[in-house]
Amino acid sequence: AQRVTQPEKLLSVFKGAPVELKCNYSYSGSPELFWYVQYSRQRLQLLLRHISRESIKGFTADLNKGETSFHLKKPFAQEEDSAMYYCALARLSSNTGKLIFGQGTTLQVKP
Amino acid sequence: DTGVSQNPRHKITKRGQNVTFRCDPISEHNRLYWYRQTLGQGPEFLTYFQNEAQLEKSRLLSDRFSAERPKGSFSTLEIQRTEQGDSAMYLCASSLVSAGKDEQYFGPGTRLTVT
Repeated sequence: AQRVTQPEKLLSVFKGAPVELKCNYSYSGSPELFWYVQYSRQRLQLLLRHISRESIKGFTADLNKGETSFHLKKPFAQEEDSAMYYCALARLSSNTGKLIFGQGTTLQVKP
Repeated sequence: DTGVSQNPRHKITKRGQNVTFRCDPISEHNRLYWYRQTLGQGPEFLTYFQNEAQLEKSRLLSDRFSAERPKGSFSTLEIQRTEQGDSAMYLCASSLVSAGKDEQYFGPGTRLTVT
């Protein structure tokens, strides 16, 4: 069965510090990995996907198939990055697009 | 287009009652997904439609749950004989599948409280 694990419920850092939000997955096939973000009182929105290899708002994530990880990183956190972050997986081999989410990590950036 | 909309935003009902939620996707999006999110958890997939066809249902979707997308536009999710365990946020997402891309845009959700 496919599974996404985000080991930290809460990550608290100071403004300007580096951030790494951890995500591990289990899936025997070819995964497509995503990071979604939910700011306070806003809806869930896509932050980035591994296939596009983009950097959004200074965040990057690299798919490491050997370690089955897709950690989200940012070198210098900003207060506006405070939000709930969800890692999600879709199965490339199927055509459903159905997402399997982790439990989420709250990022708190202190001034 | 203001994005995916969901109604109502909040619903409080008594155990045993039936409830129906509506989702209006982004115009011309051909896929529509329903997810459920309980406190402290990530969203869990319930079901999805491609146009009007319901193509997959999760085992989470018991017989008391039914979803429709009659004309391939808006969708409804009905829960019959609600139970306290049904209390959750129900999220809808839509996407336009093209060239292997399936980016899902989420609605604000309907929060259900069963008393």
